[in-house]
Amino acid sequence: GDSVTQMEGPVTLSEEAFLTINCTYTATGYPSLFWYVQYPGEGLQLLLKATKADDKGSNKGFEATYRKETTSFHLEKGSVQVSDSAVYFCALNTGNQFYFGTGTSLTVIP
Amino acid sequence: NAGVTQTPKFQVLKTGQSMTLQCAQDMNHNSMYWYRQDPGMGLRLIYYSASEGTTDKGEVPNGYNVSRLNKREFSLRLESAAPSQTSVYFCASTAGRSGNTIYFGEGSWLTVV
Repeated sequence: GDSVTQMEGPVTLSEEAFLTINCTYTATGYPSLFWYVQYPGEGLQLLLKATKADDKGSNKGFEATYRKETTSFHLEKGSVQVSDSAVYFCALNTGNQFYFGTGTSLTVIP
Repeated sequence: NAGVTQTPKFQVLKTGQSMTLQCAQDMNHNSMYWYRQDPGMGLRLIYYSASEGTTDKGEVPNGYNVSRLNKREFSLRLESAAPSQTSVYFCASTAGRSGNTIYFGEGSWLTVV
């Protein structure tokens, strides 16, 4: 069945460091791919998405490219800030079904 | 912007008690979902409703029931709460077509003692 596998955490980075969180997927059709972010005590919020191969989603300095050949959607940011500390979830969508990764906790230290 | 609203935000139950979590969305979405989030396990789907009048089991439906009251509202009921149901519960909704964003409520923290 469809599934998402993402890099296990926790990840701790210094401010201004480069961030990569890996995400790979398994899907039988042509899914849409998402990254969601969860701040402490809150629900998940959409960070970015891509709906077809080679699309790049971007928001708030974060980017991810839909790579069909490697079935990947890795999240990157060139220079993280303390305010980026949160849990990040990769997700796959086909029709009205969503599949989430287990989440990667990121802590950015000053 | 209300989006997805769920109540209550916090609840403590005794084992065997029942309760209902309420959820409403104001985005005219067709599909609604209930998830639970436990440490190290990510989000697990309990039940979903693809459209008004339909409900289907997700990954972990045992011990729960749902009602899609109308297009806006989707409630989750625990008939006889157990300590294993201590969790954070999230309601979510989406228009229901591929590529549509799923929107989440702020969560309900439930403790069963």
